[in-house]
Amino acid sequence: AQSVTQLDSHVSVSEGTPVLLRCNYSSSYSPSLFWYVQHPNKGLQLLLKYTSAATLVKGINGFEAEFKKSETSFHLTKPSAHMSDAAEYFCVVRSLAGGTSYGKLTFGQGTILTVHP
Amino acid sequence: SQTIHQWPATLVQPVGSPLSLECTVEGTSNPNLYWYRQAAGRGLQLLFYSVGIGQISSEVPQNLSASRPQDRQFILSSKKLLLSDSGFYLCAWRGDRVGVSGYTFGSGTRLTVV
Repeated sequence: AQSVTQLDSHVSVSEGTPVLLRCNYSSSYSPSLFWYVQHPNKGLQLLLKYTSAATLVKGINGFEAEFKKSETSFHLTKPSAHMSDAAEYFCVVRSLAGGTSYGKLTFGQGTILTVHP
Repeated sequence: SQTIHQWPATLVQPVGSPLSLECTVEGTSNPNLYWYRQAAGRGLQLLFYSVGIGQISSEVPQNLSASRPQDRQFILSSKKLLLSDSGFYLCAWRGDRVGVSGYTFGSGTRLTVV
């Protein structure tokens, strides 16, 4: 079984300050990990993905995430927040276990990011 | 290029009424298709997934059903809606059976059952 925990339901930052969205996971196998963003009234958009290559993953819009196996974490960061970053962010684990579980996604609860001017 | 269409965008239905949400994919063949639901204040939950025509797997027991009458069409249905069926429904596809690509999601349907 696998699970995802996003440690903060809401994060509020000022424009120009760093962003940190925390995610911890549990998985019986080495998983694939993703961060998705959902802006109001829009579909989910892939920000970045970790697939067992480099542990520091760079995504779109200046976001990056670091896979830390010892901490079972995959936190999302950005050096400087922009007003357009305000959205809901989902950490996602994809099962690489065999059988019917292969490819299944498990989503975190989501973190709403608010950016103040 | 591959695109995914989902409609309607919003829907308000009375309790006990039927439901039909449709999702179609273009630009690919034999995709893996998924229905997810996001209830208010909760993460996305996988409802159904399909690896081919007529092949449906259900993840959780519920008031909903799914069908895949064509390779690139995935339909979410209910005979009688419950208040608890309210939520944001997302259709998604994954094109290749191996590899670690991310998913592509539709724009979603916000369902309110009143």
